[in-house]
Amino acid sequence: DVKVTQSSRYLVKRTGEKVFLECVQDMDHENMFWYRQDPGLGLRLIYFSYDVKMKEKGDIPEGYSVSREKKERFSLILESASTNQTSMYLCASRMEDRVNQPQHFGDGTRLSIL
Amino acid sequence: AQKITQTQPGMFVQEKEAVTLDCTYDTSDQSYGLFWYKQPSSGEMIFLIYQGSYDEQNATEGRYSLNFQKARKSANLVISASQLGDSAMYFCAMREVSGGYQKVTFGTGTKLQVIP
Repeated sequence: DVKVTQSSRYLVKRTGEKVFLECVQDMDHENMFWYRQDPGLGLRLIYFSYDVKMKEKGDIPEGYSVSREKKERFSLILESASTNQTSMYLCASRMEDRVNQPQHFGDGTRLSIL
Repeated sequence: AQKITQTQPGMFVQEKEAVTLDCTYDTSDQSYGLFWYKQPSSGEMIFLIYQGSYDEQNATEGRYSLNFQKARKSANLVISASQLGDSAMYFCAMREVSGGYQKVTFGTGTKLQVIP
């Protein structure tokens, strides 16, 4: 079974802090994704990566950056956290070369910015 | 513009009845894929069913089937014989090629409640 592990289930940080959310997958998947989930808005794509050191902006990249130095790890960075970034963050991974492959998700990180 | 539209924020269904959850999508690609996921209150995302744009048959997985109408750009999920454990959020998602890379976007979800 594919395992996608997010480093924290719950996280509380202060406005202006630099915040790192870590995600590790164990199935050698090429594609990795970061979403945020808010009530009534569903899952919105922040960034995705299709290979090591490669990244693409999703639909809401403002205020975020990402890092993918190793294939198994995809980090989401909040450069200067703000209260409107309080949300549930979900990481996912997916095999690139099979079109019918679903994404595999981590358990999510519920981030509160005070 | 929304790529994936789920117009039903919430729905109720009687146990053992069938229910249809709506999903429409917008893409200019010829090759794309559509997925449905279930998210129980515990929070994990569970993959349910997949439909490829070139698949001629509607996808089925146990009690789940996908009513795919390509000309209408709709991919509705049908759950037959609803069970109490089906109470959850349901998300429709689309995989398409964006800038040469495979991107997956989600709808806003439908909260399904199964009534005993």
